[in-house]
Amino acid sequence: AQSVTQPDARVTVSEGASLQLRCKYSYSGTPYLFWYVQYPRQGLQLLLKYYSGDPVVQGVNGFEAEFIKSNSSFHLRKASVHWSDSAVYFCAVSAETSSSFSKLVFGQGTSLSVVP
Amino acid sequence: EAAVTQSPRNKVTVTGGNVTLSCRQTNSHNYMYWYRQDTGHGLRLIHYSYGAGNLQIGDVPDGYKATRTTQEDFFLLLELASPSQTSLYFCASSDGGGSDYTFGSGTRLLVI
Repeated sequence: AQSVTQPDARVTVSEGASLQLRCKYSYSGTPYLFWYVQYPRQGLQLLLKYYSGDPVVQGVNGFEAEFIKSNSSFHLRKASVHWSDSAVYFCAVSAETSSSFSKLVFGQGTSLSVVP
Repeated sequence: EAAVTQSPRNKVTVTGGNVTLSCRQTNSHNYMYWYRQDTGHGLRLIHYSYGAGNLQIGDVPDGYKATRTTQEDFFLLLELASPSQTSLYFCASSDGGGSDYTFGSGTRLLVI
């Protein structure tokens, strides 16, 4: 079955530091991979997505992610975080259902706190 | 502008109560989904649909019914609400191809 694992429930980084949020997926086919962000009391916003091509995909607000097929990973990175990046981040894989159409399978989420 | 609109934004009900959460999409998408979000679990799929009158069971369906009345409208029904159903509920639509999903702003449900 398809699954996504985000091993870090909470991450705290200093403002201006670099960031990596980890994501590993399990899916037998060629995955669509996504990172979403949820700011406090808001809905989900798409940061970036990957299907094929360059394994490093650029997203909004300076975020990028790298697809490493051999490791089944899709880690999210940012070179320099800002306090406004404090939020919950979700990794997701688009998986084919038994009815042959797609659904999103989410990881547990990583809560990011950016401190002064 | 294409969108997914959920109502209400917040809902409080008592144990055993009857609740309907509404979702409307203007994306011309055939596929719609209901998820619940809980800390430590991420978002989990409750029910989904690929067209009016169609319903598919998701990963955590117990205690929930759903109905897709039109291409645009997808409803989630809790006929005997329980405190374990206190959660943040998201509706989404997609083109079914796997690459494009649009989420609503969520409905926060409290069952007391």
